[in-house]
Amino acid sequence: AQSVTQPDIHITVSEGASLELRCNYSYGATPYLFWYVQSPGQGLQLLLKYFSGDTLVQGIKGFEAEFKRSQSSFNLRKPSVHWSDAAEYFCAVGAGVNAGKSTFGDGTTLTVKP
Amino acid sequence: KAGVTQTPRYLIKTRGQQVTLSCSPISGHRSVSWYQQTPGQGLQFLFEYFSETQRNKGNFPGRFSGRQFSNSRSEMNVSTLELGDSALYLCASKLGDLSNSPLHFGNGTRLTVT
Repeated sequence: AQSVTQPDIHITVSEGASLELRCNYSYGATPYLFWYVQSPGQGLQLLLKYFSGDTLVQGIKGFEAEFKRSQSSFNLRKPSVHWSDAAEYFCAVGAGVNAGKSTFGDGTTLTVKP
Repeated sequence: KAGVTQTPRYLIKTRGQQVTLSCSPISGHRSVSWYQQTPGQGLQFLFEYFSETQRNKGNFPGRFSGRQFSNSRSEMNVSTLELGDSALYLCASKLGDLSNSPLHFGNGTRLTVT
């Protein structure tokens, strides 16, 4: 069965500092990986996705993520965090005919200090 | 193009009652999935519909049901409401049957059971 682990429940960074959110997955084949962001009271918005090819993928809002098969990881990064990035971030894995049944991590809440 | 629309945004119900939530997917999207989000359990998959057929189902009791209409709009129903059903219910649509298609989420329906 597929699973996703986000080890950090809560992360606090200063505005302008770099950010890395961790995600580890378990999946028997090549995974399709996603990062979503959720602001309070809102649904989830896709930041970026990985299917194959280049292991470094670029997303919206200046985010990027790197797929490392050997470490079963798909960490999200941003070089300089803005106050508006404060939100909850979810890593998800979904593939094949069950792609609609994506498995999500428990999320990481990001707080940005002024 | 309009996004995923969920109605109503907020609902307050009493234990034992039943409730119906509605979801209109993005135009052209044939897959609709439902998720329950709670602080304790995170995002839990309920079910997915594709072309009016339930394609996947999560581990929820039979009190949770859904359906999809020919125009891809979907409804989910919860009967005999329990306090633990209080949650944010998110609907997500996906383009076609492609496993690499990301989910597009609505803003959710916040259900409170008293």
